Amino acid sequence: GQQLNQSPQSMFIQEGEDVSMNCTSSSIFNTWLWYKQDPGEGPVLLIALYKAGELTSNGRLTAQFGITRKDSFLNISASIPSDVGIYFCAGQLTGNQFYFGTGTSLTVIP
Amino acid sequence: EPEVTQTPSHQVTQMGQEVILRCVPISNHLYFYWYRQILGQKVEFLVSFYNNEISEKSEIFDDQFSVERPDGSNFTLKIRSTKLEDSAMYFCASRRDSLRQPQHFGDGTRLSIL
Repeated sequence: GQQLNQSPQSMFIQEGEDVSMNCTSSSIFNTWLWYKQDPGEGPVLLIALYKAGELTSNGRLTAQFGITRKDSFLNISASIPSDVGIYFCAGQLTGNQFYFGTGTSLTVIP
Repeated sequence: EPEVTQTPSHQVTQMGQEVILRCVPISNHLYFYWYRQILGQKVEFLVSFYNNEISEKSEIFDDQFSVERPDGSNFTLKIRSTKLEDSAMYFCASRRDSLRQPQHFGDGTRLSIL
């Protein structure tokens, strides 16, 4: 299957700091999605991106679909304790299959 | 807001037994998916389903797995003869249509094989 590499693998930050994480692949994707997963729960959609270069915000979250279509990043501004969780990117090539990244674990220290 | 619901939340099964995991997708959605997540690892695609047939499947989805939409609302994943390595969270997801619509996930079924 396709490999989507997320970095960093984990982050420990102080409350109020900004966060940046990214997702890269050797393949060209048509769609990029960012999800957050809390322990014992399913992934919850944060942001969906459908066009190269697209920059989309959802509250304190901003994500961009890379121009090369091989990467995407997610920024979280002014982090708060409830931002804790694992963040996954997911990409869609053609067809009906989505590939998930390896995840970035975020810990926010109050 | 409508959501994907999965039952049971936790299933414990003896190795070699059959297990059926159930999902009720969002009602106006047309595309359905099953994913697996082994503890501490990433979410892995198993199968996608559209128009009452499998549209894509991964190499994980071997002959032991099958999916069905028996009654127009439920979407089930059957594992015929479970193995220890089938222990994982299984997530169902659905999507409205193919035009720029994201997947929405259920909260998953934790499958424990003894």
